[in-house]
Amino acid sequence: ETGVTQTPRHLVMGMTNKKSLKCEQHLGHNAMYWYKQSAKKPLELMFVYSLEERVENNSVPSRFSPECPNSSHLFLHLHTLQPEDSALYLCASSQVPRDREKLFFGSGTQLSVL
Amino acid sequence: EDQVTQSPEALRLQEGESSSLNCSYTVSGLRGLFWYRQDPGKGPEFLFTLYSAGEEKEKERLKATLTKKESFLHITAPKPEDSATYLCAVQARGQNFVFGPGTRLSVLP
Repeated sequence: ETGVTQTPRHLVMGMTNKKSLKCEQHLGHNAMYWYKQSAKKPLELMFVYSLEERVENNSVPSRFSPECPNSSHLFLHLHTLQPEDSALYLCASSQVPRDREKLFFGSGTQLSVL
Repeated sequence: EDQVTQSPEALRLQEGESSSLNCSYTVSGLRGLFWYRQDPGKGPEFLFTLYSAGEEKEKERLKATLTKKESFLHITAPKPEDSATYLCAVQARGQNFVFGPGTRLSVLP
């Protein structure tokens, strides 16, 4: 398998549920990212990990909790979400964080919060 | 603050009708301008990186150009399979990507 893989593709959850999104990259990259994409809005950066260390947290509410156990895997743990958190959540990776390196995206998890 | 705008928001073309998409940006110390294509229900797919004003890159029916204030994505004789949302993103020195809202392109047969 190649590229960036995200599971699940679709997720429906209630406001009191706890769920996790998973991302795996098979590109040997050192940086991984979580982005949020809402309808008709630009992609919003949520978290950046470089060599498994969180280097950026873009003022994301604590109901979103990232985890990066190694350079190939990234999780986003979700709890007590709000309906406005419904969006497409995209994982991406790059060889190094920032500086001229293009991002490789997964297909995303379409999240619906009821 | 770094900003990226894209126009038009949506564009409908007949097959074979060439046109251009615009990406305007304000950023301090541009390191790169990136174009991505995104199909419905999928993640963005990389198309081009442009690094300096005057640079041009081509891929099949697409050609990207860059000036100091904007980039254009020219689509020559588009086909229905070119229908997608096209995203522009800029990267400043030491900063993360800033994405534009995208242009939704529909090419009708």
